[in-house]
Amino acid sequence: DAGVIQSPRHEVTEMGQEVTLRCKPISGHDYLFWYRQTMMRGLELLIYFNNNVPIDDSGMPEDRFSAKMPNASFSTLKIQPSEPRDSAVYFCASSYLLGSANTGELFFGEGSRLTVL
Amino acid sequence: AQSVSQHNHHVILSEAASLELGCNYSYGGTVNLFWYVQYPGQHLQLLLKYFSGDPLVKGIKGFEAEFIKSKFSFNLRKPSVQWSDTAEYFCAVNRDSSASKIIFGSGTRLSIRP
Repeated sequence: DAGVIQSPRHEVTEMGQEVTLRCKPISGHDYLFWYRQTMMRGLELLIYFNNNVPIDDSGMPEDRFSAKMPNASFSTLKIQPSEPRDSAVYFCASSYLLGSANTGELFFGEGSRLTVL
Repeated sequence: AQSVSQHNHHVILSEAASLELGCNYSYGGTVNLFWYVQYPGQHLQLLLKYFSGDPLVKGIKGFEAEFIKSKFSFNLRKPSVQWSDTAEYFCAVNRDSSASKIIFGSGTRLSIRP
């Protein structure tokens, strides 16, 4: 299996521009998570989906952030307009059910490093 | 609110020294506990996990962790570290297998002097 695939790996943009980060989870996984990692705040959960449905978006910082999962193999995290304080590494992760229970183990992508100037 | 605390932000050790990284969580119910490792420039990967049973959990690369319910702790240990253990270590918690929201601690950066 190729693992969780994220793109782009690096993005540098200017304040006010729209940023779209993409994620392809591991096939067969029915949970998808978006995390943001910064030096100041560590690893923060932004939103997660189960079977393509957003379950908890309480970690999304503000209305400038939105996430979608149109199908089981693709998700996007969009920031519009972007600001310098959005600079971070954004990780996508997926996981799966074992029987009726979530195993709790997350499989992470390589991350998208975003720099907003 | 549920939280995970890692009190050591940066630990520096020499090779062959013993390691213990602290992790405490605030939730009082049934929890699943994890340690993830992030090597420089890489993504996070699972080091070990506790769901139930023996509170002493063994993971990859000689790491182990002990769940002490009365102390709400899940400390990570390794008897003798190597230079290749240089990484950031994250403790994580989810409330039980029916809850998928996994909360991470702020991480502990481990630097090993060769």
